[in-house]
Amino acid sequence: QVQLQQWGAGLLRPSETLTLSCAVYGESFSDFYWSWIRQSPEKGLEWIGEINEIGRINYNPSLESRVTMSIDTSKNQFSLKLGSVTAADTAIYYCARYYGSGSYSLAYWGQGTLVTVSS
Amino acid sequence: EVVLTQSPDFQSVTPKEKVTITCRASQSIGGSLHWYQQKPGQSPKLLIKYVSQSMSGVPSRFRGSGSGTDFTLTINSLEAEDAAAYYCHQSKSFPHTFGQGTKVEIK
Repeated sequence: QVQLQQWGAGLLRPSETLTLSCAVYGESFSDFYWSWIRQSPEKGLEWIGEINEIGRINYNPSLESRVTMSIDTSKNQFSLKLGSVTAADTAIYYCARYYGSGSYSLAYWGQGTLVTVSS
Repeated sequence: EVVLTQSPDFQSVTPKEKVTITCRASQSIGGSLHWYQQKPGQSPKLLIKYVSQSMSGVPSRFRGSGSGTDFTLTINSLEAEDAAAYYCHQSKSFPHTFGQGTKVEIK
């Protein structure tokens, strides 16, 4: 059974960089895309982007200028960085995996990390 | 960007009633539409993928249908445990997008 365990700083000041990581347990890291999604009362669920094991990436254009995703296959982990955060980036951030190779429904989710941006 | 609009935003329903949630896409997304259930304090849970394919363990009262731009999630004979928010999600094109959600409350 695939499990995703995420962690990262929960309180940031404006202009800082959000950094979150997600560890994958229970299955091979290969052959899948790994995603980040965030959720806020203002914007609802927002897809941030995805990365696969060879570093192929797709970002949401609305965040692309500030987002960096990376992957460490040796540790079965992938990470999200979001630069120059503002209060509008306050949200619960989730890591997730699609159901299967070629299937783009989000079947596996991390537990979520509440990130608050406040001065 | 494909905009997904769900209706209604909120529904208060008596147990055993039927619930119908619709999701309309701003352009055709074929069959790349998925449904999630989210209970307070939990991560979203995939209920149905690709319009009508129920995930393992999902009760048979949950049914998905539709194609193109109009999709429906039906909950037949609502149970108390179905109180949650429900979201649609399209994976046809980037960026993937979600509907704004429908909150189902049990009367």
